[in-house]
Amino acid sequence: SQQGEEDPQALSIQEGENATMNCSYKTSINNLQWYRQNSGRGLVHLILIRSNEREKHSGRLRVTLDTSKKSSSLLITASRAADTASYFCATALRYNKLIFGAGTRLAVHP
Amino acid sequence: GAVVSQHPSWVICKSGTSVKIECRSLDFQATTMFWYRQFPKQSLMLMATSNEGSKATYEQGVEKDKFLINHASLTLSTLTVTSAHPEDSSFYICSASPGQQIAPLHFGNGTRLTVT
Repeated sequence: SQQGEEDPQALSIQEGENATMNCSYKTSINNLQWYRQNSGRGLVHLILIRSNEREKHSGRLRVTLDTSKKSSSLLITASRAADTASYFCATALRYNKLIFGAGTRLAVHP
Repeated sequence: GAVVSQHPSWVICKSGTSVKIECRSLDFQATTMFWYRQFPKQSLMLMATSNEGSKATYEQGVEKDKFLINHASLTLSTLTVTSAHPEDSSFYICSASPGQQIAPLHFGNGTRLTVT
């Protein structure tokens, strides 16, 4: 079963702009992860944030986690056309059993 | 980096036939593998957790007799869709974990199954 919702479902921006995606979840978590999926392909891990962390950075990616609101956000700065993909948050209840959110389809136009 | 290979990448079969999908961890031993199903423009739905040397754990609503999972070695898990029907057409993705510690999962590139 899906853990939660992602917002927006689809996002269309121009190159150079920032893209922000939000994720909400329902249960307690050990960590929250963000993945990227190019069309018709598998998923690629982007970043993992633990439940006791509030913010994490990786290159042009910035992830925040608010456990009191059961929400997370992924910010991609200075977007590029190559960032066009679907982005999913996933929560781990125990071990590595991930439950995925609905995903955000990001389109970055040159 | 860790690599998970999934085969075939696409398959077309006739109704009533069975299809086997393989998921291999190429450079690490995977004690646990996960099988997901994804419909177009939707999220990944966890089908089952495959544990090496033991029976798979299926999620609620997933028919274990229809989706047979075998994890006979630390580098190979297979998903067999038995007596396939058109509604089984979907994108199936596997992922692997080297152990039970919390870590990013490594995903295969998925298998597009079309049942005619």
